[in-house]
Amino acid sequence: EDQVTQSPEALRLQEGESSSLNCSYTVSGLRGLFWYRQDPGKGPEFLFTLYSAGEEKEKERLKATLTKKESFLHITAPKPEDSATYLCAVTSGYSTLTFGKGTMLLVSP
Amino acid sequence: GAVVSQHPSRVICKSGTSVKIECRSLDFQATTMFWYRQFPKQSLMLMATSNEGSKATYEQGVEKDKFLINHASLTLSTLTVTSAHPEDSSFYICSARDRGQGVYNSPLHFGNGTRLTVT
Repeated sequence: EDQVTQSPEALRLQEGESSSLNCSYTVSGLRGLFWYRQDPGKGPEFLFTLYSAGEEKEKERLKATLTKKESFLHITAPKPEDSATYLCAVTSGYSTLTFGKGTMLLVSP
Repeated sequence: GAVVSQHPSRVICKSGTSVKIECRSLDFQATTMFWYRQFPKQSLMLMATSNEGSKATYEQGVEKDKFLINHASLTLSTLTVTSAHPEDSSFYICSARDRGQGVYNSPLHFGNGTRLTVT
């Protein structure tokens, strides 16, 4: 059974204070790891897909990296509008995704 | 691109009534759509997989007679909560995968969810 653990559960940053979110996973044959952003009362918004260890993807202030056991979402110089819950999910060869519980990020001005 | 529209965004119903939630892929076709349920501060829990033109596949513990799923076309899936009870109150989210991309490792695109409150 695929498992995804995200840490920390919540993270409070000052504007401009860079940090990283962690996603540890256990799967039998990773087919893809996904990062989503979810705002309160909304559905998840797709950010990145990573397929193999060593891969990196970037989008504005966000950078996602992948190893054989975990993924990191690095946030550089965050702004208040980056405040959201960030979800990590994996797929191992079936059509469904297994999600972690998410990291709630709050960026204060 | 890859927009999924879900309606209604909020619904309040009385105990014992039924509620239908629609999920549409607006700019792509989806052979498969997925229905999730999310409780506060919890992960998304997959309820069922909806396949166009065939019966839905339900996850263990999800009552198929209570949560009726219909996937009538490549762009529309519906979830009907029958004989709703207060414990069915939750945030329901649909998602879809573009049939033009890879089957297993392309991302899911999500609707904005439906907040169901049963009184």
